[in-house]
Amino acid sequence: QLQLQESGPGLVKPSETLSLTCTLSGGSISDSSYYWAWIRQPPGKGLEWIGNVYSSGSTYYNPSLRSRVGISGDTSKNQFSLKLNSVTAADTAVYYCARCPIRWSSLDSYCYMDVWGKGTTATVSS
Amino acid sequence: SYVLTQSPSVSVAPGQTARITCGGNNIGTKKVHWYQQKSGQAPVLVVYDDSGRPSGIPDRFSGSNSGNTATLAISRVEAGDEAAYFCQVWHSGVIFGGGTKLTVL
Repeated sequence: QLQLQESGPGLVKPSETLSLTCTLSGGSISDSSYYWAWIRQPPGKGLEWIGNVYSSGSTYYNPSLRSRVGISGDTSKNQFSLKLNSVTAADTAVYYCARCPIRWSSLDSYCYMDVWGKGTTATVSS
Repeated sequence: SYVLTQSPSVSVAPGQTARITCGGNNIGTKKVHWYQQKSGQAPVLVVYDDSGRPSGIPDRFSGSNSGNTATLAISRVEAGDEAAYFCQVWHSGVIFGGGTKLTVL
């Protein structure tokens, strides 16, 4: 059974880079049936998709974050990672990683998140 | 950009049916997915592809999607169903609705 575990520093200074890692157990990041996703949730607010990475290294990003975000996979460690640079207090949130099965409609591929990590809190503060 | 609209809150008595809606332009042409998030926990997928139920989700949870509105229905509501519910579609990426807080009276 697939499990996902987020890890990374809980505190980041403003203007610096937030770096998080998601480690898989019971599954492989090389599985071509899935995207691997990052989602965040600011305190008391809703869910915000950050982006997806595919086994080939292809990425999809939220347009509102695209200029500051990078997501990559490491097949040797069975992990995928998030980097968000130039952070501000508005980036304070619980960050989740998730598995995203790839589905096909008549027009496009799409996905939804069927397995989630427990989440890790990242606070931006000096 | 594509916007999904959910009412902030819904209240229902135990044993009744709760209906949570998700509005979007021609949302009936898209596949809609629903997540349940209990306080302090990660979201859980409860409905995928409009009306599919993942393994382990009770058949009290059902979904429908037509026109400009998708609906998550929870029948025979229990206290344990109290949570926030989020709808989601794909539109050049993942789009979430703002979430609906379900209160069981």
